[in-house]
Amino acid sequence: DAGITQSPRYKITETGRQVTLMCHQTWSHSYMFWYRQDLGHGLRLIYYSAAADITDKGEVPDGYVVSRSKTENFPLTLESATRSQTSVYFCASVTGGNSPLHFGNGTRLTVT
Amino acid sequence: AQSVTQLGSHVSVSEGALVLLRCNYSSSVPPYLFWYVQYPNQGLQLLLKYTTGATLVKGINGFEAEFKKSETSFHLTKPSAHMSDAAEYFCAVSDSYKRQLTFGSGTQLTVLP
Repeated sequence: DAGITQSPRYKITETGRQVTLMCHQTWSHSYMFWYRQDLGHGLRLIYYSAAADITDKGEVPDGYVVSRSKTENFPLTLESATRSQTSVYFCASVTGGNSPLHFGNGTRLTVT
Repeated sequence: AQSVTQLGSHVSVSEGALVLLRCNYSSSVPPYLFWYVQYPNQGLQLLLKYTTGATLVKGINGFEAEFKKSETSFHLTKPSAHMSDAAEYFCAVSDSYKRQLTFGSGTQLTVLP
């Protein structure tokens, strides 16, 4: 089925470890986004990408790295995880114009 | 810069009562406005959106919202709440150029029997 898939759904990691969250979409949407959701903060933009090989920082990019070598994939890497990065991470994509964002089901990350 | 303020992090209504979730925004350019709903352990689903044209926007599940430029508001309403409406609701604004959304902090809606 067409859609946007995030993996894993749940991840527990230790402080200092590197972890990568995966995002794959089947629509060939140009734009992709990574948000984190924390209680009381709603969703905050980490990074976004307008096309393959084009990425830009959002509101809270520190401690995160992204890449987009292929249009359909937009992985998010925590280079050295910290407890403050415990959160639910959502990937989203949109084709353009005034189309709405389509969200994945999220990855719940716990950093111990 | 854009921002969204949702008044009331928790709202409780009785089944059958009016639902009113408040959203105010700020934007330096004409905004695109959205309401999303999130059910437990799921991603966000679009309820409705305002881009241009008619200021009263109808969405799915009987929800609607009215864009009031003079009040910089985009409140979400539903005439009669149903138990299945219990969820978290997010208002969001986009400047339409960067495609990225700025979200409010969310309102948790509880529907009481």
